Amino acid sequence: AQSVTQPDIHITVSEGASLELRCNYSYGATPYLFWYVQSPGQGLQLLLKYFSGDTLVQGIKGFEAEFKRSQSSFNLRKPSVHWSDAAEYFCAVGGRTGGFKTIFGAGTRLFVKA
Amino acid sequence: ETGVTQTPRHLVMGMTNKKSLKCEQHLGHNAMYWYKQSAKKPLELMFVYSLEERVENNSVPSRFSPECPNSSHLFLHLHTLQPEDSALYLCASSPQRTGVYTGELFFGEGSRLTVL
Repeated sequence: AQSVTQPDIHITVSEGASLELRCNYSYGATPYLFWYVQSPGQGLQLLLKYFSGDTLVQGIKGFEAEFKRSQSSFNLRKPSVHWSDAAEYFCAVGGRTGGFKTIFGAGTRLFVKA
Repeated sequence: ETGVTQTPRHLVMGMTNKKSLKCEQHLGHNAMYWYKQSAKKPLELMFVYSLEERVENNSVPSRFSPECPNSSHLFLHLHTLQPEDSALYLCASSPQRTGVYTGELFFGEGSRLTVL
């Protein structure tokens, strides 16, 4: 079955420290891959996406993610976290055959301490 | 105005009320979605409209009734709701890439619904 796993329910990092949020997927083929961020009481905002080509993709707000086919992973990274990055982060996959069901992970809540 | 706009942002209603949530997108997308987000539960896809035709209905109770009068507007009509329907309702739209919907979504800020 198609699924997305975010192993960490929540993560706490110090401001200025590096960040890596993990995402693993189960899918029959190489999917389209996304990371979204949600601040409290807000909708989801697309951080970055992978369709094809270079497996290291750059997104907004200084985030990047790397697609590793052999590990079925699409981990999100940021070299230096800012307090404003505190939010919930969702990994998601979409199908190359089209269709309307984007599969979301359960989310990882990021806390940033001063 | 750009993006996806949802109104109202907050709604409190009794179980016997009838209300509607509105969504408008200014991105020129052909597909629009309603998602439900409850505390400690994953995002739930409720309905999808493509070119104003409903293409997905994920076993949503009939007390939720969607309407898509054109490709820019989407409504969710609510009637005789239950307290467990209290949640954040998110509208989204999506573009096509080489004729295919990729799963990329553009979300509104959500309508926080509380059912008393």
